[in-house]
Amino acid sequence: DSGVTQTPKHLITATGQRVTLRCSPRSGDLSVYWYQQSLDQGLQFLIQYYNGEERAKGNILERFSAQQFPDLHSELNLSSLELGDSALYFCASSVSGMGEKLFFGSGTQLSVL
Amino acid sequence: AQSVTQLDSQVPVFEEAPVELRCNYSSSVSVYLFWYVQYPNQGLQLLLKYLSGSTLVKGINGFEAEFNKSQTSFHLRKPSVHISDTAEYFCAVSEGSQGNLIFGKGTKLSVKP
Repeated sequence: DSGVTQTPKHLITATGQRVTLRCSPRSGDLSVYWYQQSLDQGLQFLIQYYNGEERAKGNILERFSAQQFPDLHSELNLSSLELGDSALYFCASSVSGMGEKLFFGSGTQLSVL
Repeated sequence: AQSVTQLDSQVPVFEEAPVELRCNYSSSVSVYLFWYVQYPNQGLQLLLKYLSGSTLVKGINGFEAEFNKSQTSFHLRKPSVHISDTAEYFCAVSEGSQGNLIFGKGTKLSVKP
């Protein structure tokens, strides 16, 4: 158990809908990362937050947004969903967010039908 | 921009045989290098990391990797694999003090009896 909690584990929805994925980092970790894993693209970095502030942005679509709350949990919002958004979404956390080990959650499997 | 290339998408090997999983990276600055393992239906776990110092890094489960700056490589090795090593292995890089990791597309290691 990595200590990073992601909910829900599975999500099935329809095209055009909006969903929210939730992540609770390990106790004491200030930085949260979101990754998307798909068969064709592999593991793609989406976005990183540190203590509530956005620190780095990767290949995140404009239809996607995220935030980190004062209690350090994070949410990834995916809107106007398309079939191609079906993927496994991972959250990871680390202590300071600077070149160190990331602890990964078990992921949320999103299926867009 | 950073990138990571894992040269083999699949590596089949017999139990107790040695294995090498290849990883090359490109970056214009100093980097930190990581190998993560993903077992079926699980998140990623850190195998080992190179931050500085000795170029030969030892990790968990008997794995080791060697950082070669001139060849920009960070190949993962194990002298004798077990059935339980069957998993997908990801090489990753982060630049300097940045926390987000850029992952390769992964290598599926399949250990046969």
